[in-house]
Amino acid sequence: KQEVTQIPAALSVPEGENLVLNCSFTDSAIYNLQWFRQDPGKGLTSLLLIQSSQREQTSGRLNASLDKSSGRSTLYIAASQPGDSATYLCAVREVGDDKIIFGKGTRLHILP
Amino acid sequence: GAVVSQHPSWVICKSGTSVKIECRSLDFQATTMFWYRQFPKQSLMLMATSNEGSKATYEQGVEKDKFLINHASLTLSTLTVTSAHPEDSSFYICSGAGYSYEQYFGPGTRLTVT
Repeated sequence: KQEVTQIPAALSVPEGENLVLNCSFTDSAIYNLQWFRQDPGKGLTSLLLIQSSQREQTSGRLNASLDKSSGRSTLYIAASQPGDSATYLCAVREVGDDKIIFGKGTRLHILP
Repeated sequence: GAVVSQHPSWVICKSGTSVKIECRSLDFQATTMFWYRQFPKQSLMLMATSNEGSKATYEQGVEKDKFLINHASLTLSTLTVTSAHPEDSSFYICSGAGYSYEQYFGPGTRLTVT
């Protein structure tokens, strides 16, 4: 059974710092991996989607990497801003299945 | 990108009543729709998967008679929480997937049962 784990559960960093959020999954047979942002009481905003054949994706200050063989992904946020404060969710879609399995998320707080 | 809407965005209902949540794909045909539930400080958990015109497939532990899902058209799915109880209070998010199989998520509905 696929399990997605995100570490740390919560993180506070001063504004301007670069930071890394970690995601691990137990079954490497994934179709893709996706990072989402969720603001309190809100829905999901898709940040980056990495197909299983890709190693990384970049969008602005965000860079996501994927190491399928080791079951790991990282989300790198450069030059953090207070507006980056949110919960970041990692999710995987397994091969041959439409289901998306989410991690519990990392609550990020950027200190002004 | 594809857009999915949900209505209402939040709802308060009394214990024992039923409440319906709508999920609409606005600019694509969602052959499959998914319903997720998120409790406070928890991640999203898939409740059920529905294909247009077919009965929904429920995840283990989700009561199909309590959470009625209808996917009568390619742009609309509804989730009805029947005989709601306070423990059903949660954030419900739907997603739709078209022929590309990529899921597009709705903004969510916050249900509070008093």
